[in-house]
Amino acid sequence: DAGVTQSPTHLIKTRGQQVTLRCSPKSGHDTVSWYQQALGQGPQFIFQYYEEEERQRGNFPDRFSGHQFPNYSSELNVNALLLGDSALYLCASSLGGHNEQFFGPGTRLTVL
Amino acid sequence: AQTVTQSQPEMSVQEAETVTLSCTYDTSESDYYLFWYKQPPSRQMILVIRQEAYKQQNATENRFSVNFQKAAKSFSLKISDSQLGDAAMYFCAYRNYGGSQGNLIFGKGTKLSVKP
Repeated sequence: DAGVTQSPTHLIKTRGQQVTLRCSPKSGHDTVSWYQQALGQGPQFIFQYYEEEERQRGNFPDRFSGHQFPNYSSELNVNALLLGDSALYLCASSLGGHNEQFFGPGTRLTVL
Repeated sequence: AQTVTQSQPEMSVQEAETVTLSCTYDTSESDYYLFWYKQPPSRQMILVIRQEAYKQQNATENRFSVNFQKAAKSFSLKISDSQLGDAAMYFCAYRNYGGSQGNLIFGKGTKLSVKP
């Protein structure tokens, strides 16, 4: 049984570019949450998707957007990248929004 | 808004000894969950232990146990018989019970080193 997978593992972009990160949830899970973890910090909640809709959002600007597909996989898009967007982006899946969240290994984004 | 505070940026323990990691939180809710997650250098966040606020009994998972003091809003993690594989970042996290707030709120973490 595959756990949560994320792609790519690492990514380097320049300021102003756009990036798309991908997440496949654990088998049987229908909810995907995204977190941003800056260096030396704990993860911060970006948003949560359930039934292909954004159900909950943290304190992140509209440059951060997402999507959930019918197979429950999800994408995180960030537009107009800033240096401060450099971080580890974690995806977590769960069965419903209030059950245990299982995390993927993350995507390390570096913005130059 | 809920907050989680971990006041120990780094801790060190000798192999086979016991170490306690501290966590305090702030909330006006009466029902919630508290968690300890481990993040090794591989970056994958792993759930160590979970506590439901309505349960008075402290949670235990093998060598890991918590001291949950609801009135003091304190939630410490005790690791007994520490092993080299316990070396990692440890994050304390909070989540509301039910409602629309299903997201986790994390502290800044404590880096645990285990000396052989």
